[in-house]
Amino acid sequence: DGGITQSPKYLFRKEGQNVTLSCEQNLNHDAMYWYRQDPGQGLRLIYYSQIVNDFQKGDIAEGYSVSREKKESFPLTVTSAQKNPTAFYLCASSWVAGPDTQYFGPGTRLTVL
Amino acid sequence: AQTVTQSQPEMSVQEAETVTLSCTYDTSESDYYLFWYKQPPSRQMILVIRQEAYKQQNATENRFSVNFQKAAKSFSLKISDSQLGDAAMYFCAAGVGSQGNLIFGKGTKLSVKP
Repeated sequence: DGGITQSPKYLFRKEGQNVTLSCEQNLNHDAMYWYRQDPGQGLRLIYYSQIVNDFQKGDIAEGYSVSREKKESFPLTVTSAQKNPTAFYLCASSWVAGPDTQYFGPGTRLTVL
Repeated sequence: AQTVTQSQPEMSVQEAETVTLSCTYDTSESDYYLFWYKQPPSRQMILVIRQEAYKQQNATENRFSVNFQKAAKSFSLKISDSQLGDAAMYFCAAGVGSQGNLIFGKGTKLSVKP
């Protein structure tokens, strides 16, 4: 089955630690995205990538980093510089970067202890 | 800046009845898509329906249809014959320009009463 997988489903981090959230897709999509969702809020864009080895900051990129070494993979690192990282993180992909349908993974819930 | 506004934080509908969720958006771009996504308690975002701005005909997908009023920048979702499984958060989103990221509203929580 084609789709987007995210791991882990739940992640706990101690203050001062960096953690990496995994996102993999087998849909052959060029574009991938990371969103953050807080209670009572819509989704906010952290980073996006239109093509391998290229990525752009979104609205709330501070304290996060990404890489896009393979078309299928777009991992997100939450660094210790992110002041309030507890949130639900969603990865998405689309055929092209443009006004196109995005398909989402199941998400990762990150909690800072 | 592009914005998407959902003015109804919560809605309720009786099973088998019809409900309409409201959404307005603001963009100066001429090329954009509009979407409704459903987020059930599992929190997986599921595409419900999409509308291309250049199409005048309103999109439909089984029990789901939209009322796209381009001049008014309005994009409402109508759910007919509501089912218990329709209970979820519904997000309106706009895909604008070449970047491709979606701009989301804050969502409407839909409850379905048996």
